[in-house]
Amino acid sequence: DAGVIQSPRHEVTEMGQEVTLRCKPISGHNSLFWYRQTMMRGLELLIYFNNNVPIDDSGMPEDRFSAKMPNASFSTLKIQPSEPRDSAVYFCASSPTTSSREQYFGPGTRLTVT
Amino acid sequence: GENVEQHPSTLSVQEGDSAVIKCTYSDSASNYFPWYKQELGKRPQLIIDIRSNVGEKKDQRIAVTLNKTAKHFSLHITETQPEDSAVYFCAAKGDKLIFGTGTRLQVFP
Repeated sequence: DAGVIQSPRHEVTEMGQEVTLRCKPISGHNSLFWYRQTMMRGLELLIYFNNNVPIDDSGMPEDRFSAKMPNASFSTLKIQPSEPRDSAVYFCASSPTTSSREQYFGPGTRLTVT
Repeated sequence: GENVEQHPSTLSVQEGDSAVIKCTYSDSASNYFPWYKQELGKRPQLIIDIRSNVGEKKDQRIAVTLNKTAKHFSLHITETQPEDSAVYFCAAKGDKLIFGTGTRLQVFP
């Protein structure tokens, strides 16, 4: 099993540009989570999906952020327009179900907005 | 809302000594408490977890304790080694997994 796959691994973009982060969960996992990690705020849960349906997006910072999961093997997190304060490492994680305890993290995408 | 507090934020120990990291949580419905280790530039990885029906769990040099009444749980690392150096996160799961702010552990040879 390849584990959770994220792309790109690094993204550098200019303020105002659209950024799309991608995630492929572990095959067979029904739940997918997007986290943001910064030095100041630590690990923050942005949104999670169960069976491709968004369950809780209360962690999404503002309307510039949106996430989709069109099928069981793919999710995107989009920031439009991006701002320097969005610079962070964005992790995707998956678990067999939302009631399942363990979450498996992807390698993360390091986003830098200049 | 739910939150998890973690202390200390940094911890330095000599190789061979023990390290203890403590967390408290607010959501009394939390029933699962994992600990993650994150090495520099890498993803968080689960190292040990404990469920609410258990007070203590041990795995080699790592142990976790849980006091549900006080809403406290702790990570204990004995005989620390330089490769234990990392950031450690506690978390508590009720409806969703809430992470603590992390503890940077440095083990000096």
